[in-house]
Amino acid sequence: GENVEQHPSTLSVQEGDSAVIKCTYSDSASNYFPWYKQELGKRPQLIIDIRSNVGEKKDQRIAVTLNKTAKHFSLHITETQPEDSAVYFCAASGSYQLTFGKGTKLSVIP
Amino acid sequence: GAVVSQHPSWVICKSGTSVKIECRSLDFQATTMFWYRQFPKQSLMLMATSNEGSKATYEQGVEKDKFLINHASLTLSTLTVTSAHPEDSSFYICSAKGRKLQETQYFGPGTRLLVL
Repeated sequence: GENVEQHPSTLSVQEGDSAVIKCTYSDSASNYFPWYKQELGKRPQLIIDIRSNVGEKKDQRIAVTLNKTAKHFSLHITETQPEDSAVYFCAASGSYQLTFGKGTKLSVIP
Repeated sequence: GAVVSQHPSWVICKSGTSVKIECRSLDFQATTMFWYRQFPKQSLMLMATSNEGSKATYEQGVEKDKFLINHASLTLSTLTVTSAHPEDSSFYICSAKGRKLQETQYFGPGTRLLVL
């Protein structure tokens, strides 16, 4: 089955700086890669996703890049704000279910 | 669009009792629903996948007789934790996807279960 590795597990950045979270996956058949943001005690919220026919996707301060050859994808958050503090999960899907990474706790220091 | 509700949001029960959690897709037809369990500071662990009108598919290590899943309609799936014990205390989250949403899963708000 699919295996998703996510790094780092924790990340602290100064407000205004950029944050990068990286994930690798094992199943070359995976073709859908969403990113979720989860605040404490709340549901995961889809923030951006990318499909395998696209190498990069951007939505305001958030961007995701995908390298299918190397089987890794990354989340980039620019101009970080305190409200970006949360746990971020990457996931990969090849058939019908998602396999999640272990999460990255992002802390944005004002 | 793509709103998923979950009820109850939290429940406290005595050991040995059964607890039912409902997951509803409010504005779309969910052909597939997923049930996850999340322990504090950990990732989402898939428990089972349910397709409308068919039996749920359970992940390895998840007892199907303990975690009963019913997906009777395109908008409702239920998870029943039977004879709950303190080690079943966790955050249970459902997600749903439909025909038009392709692979995208939308999550319910979760149910926090505490078994005393």
